[in-house]
Amino acid sequence: NAGVMQNPRHLVRRRGQEARLRCSPMKGHSHVYWYRQLPEEGLKFMVYLQKENIIDESGMPKERFSAEFPKEGPSILRIQQVVRGDSAAYFCASSLGLVSYNEQFFGPGTRLTVL
Amino acid sequence: AQSVTQLDSQVPVFEEAPVELRCNYSSSVSVYLFWYVQYPNQGLQLLLKYLSGSTLVKGINGFEAEFNKSQTSFHLRKPSVHISDTAEYFCAVSDRTKKLTFGTGTRLTIIP
Repeated sequence: NAGVMQNPRHLVRRRGQEARLRCSPMKGHSHVYWYRQLPEEGLKFMVYLQKENIIDESGMPKERFSAEFPKEGPSILRIQQVVRGDSAAYFCASSLGLVSYNEQFFGPGTRLTVL
Repeated sequence: AQSVTQLDSQVPVFEEAPVELRCNYSSSVSVYLFWYVQYPNQGLQLLLKYLSGSTLVKGINGFEAEFNKSQTSFHLRKPSVHISDTAEYFCAVSDRTKKLTFGTGTRLTIIP
């Protein structure tokens, strides 16, 4: 059973370009979470999605960032007009979402470097 | 609002010695508590979790943690560490909103 897949693993962008990060949840999981880890810091929640719905985006910056989880295909985290401060590791996690707590399974992350 | 404090950013320990990594949390509601381990350039792996019931929780790789409600703590322990335990350890809390709130992490370094 494949785990959570993220691609690309490493992404380099110049300031002003767009970054698109993809996450394929574990088989059978319909809930996806995105977290950002800045250098030397813990992970910070960004957004929680179910298929075709954003459940909680309280951790998303108000501008330039968006996320989707379509009916078919992976979840996408999109960052427009990247700036140096966006350089970080972005982790996706998935869960079944059937119970009040959730065990979240994490992907290997995408390390974004903005030049 | 929830928060997690990991008091030690780095912990060096000799091989085969015991270790305790400290974690304190604050929350106004009942919470679920987790410890994750992150090896270099990898994602997070769940070590153990506390949901309810027994306050002593056993996890993988010989780790255990004790939930102390009165002290709002969830410290992680291992009686004898190995070189392979070198990694970053994160304590996290979750409530019914399902999102995880993480501490800043503790880097465990095992000295041969």
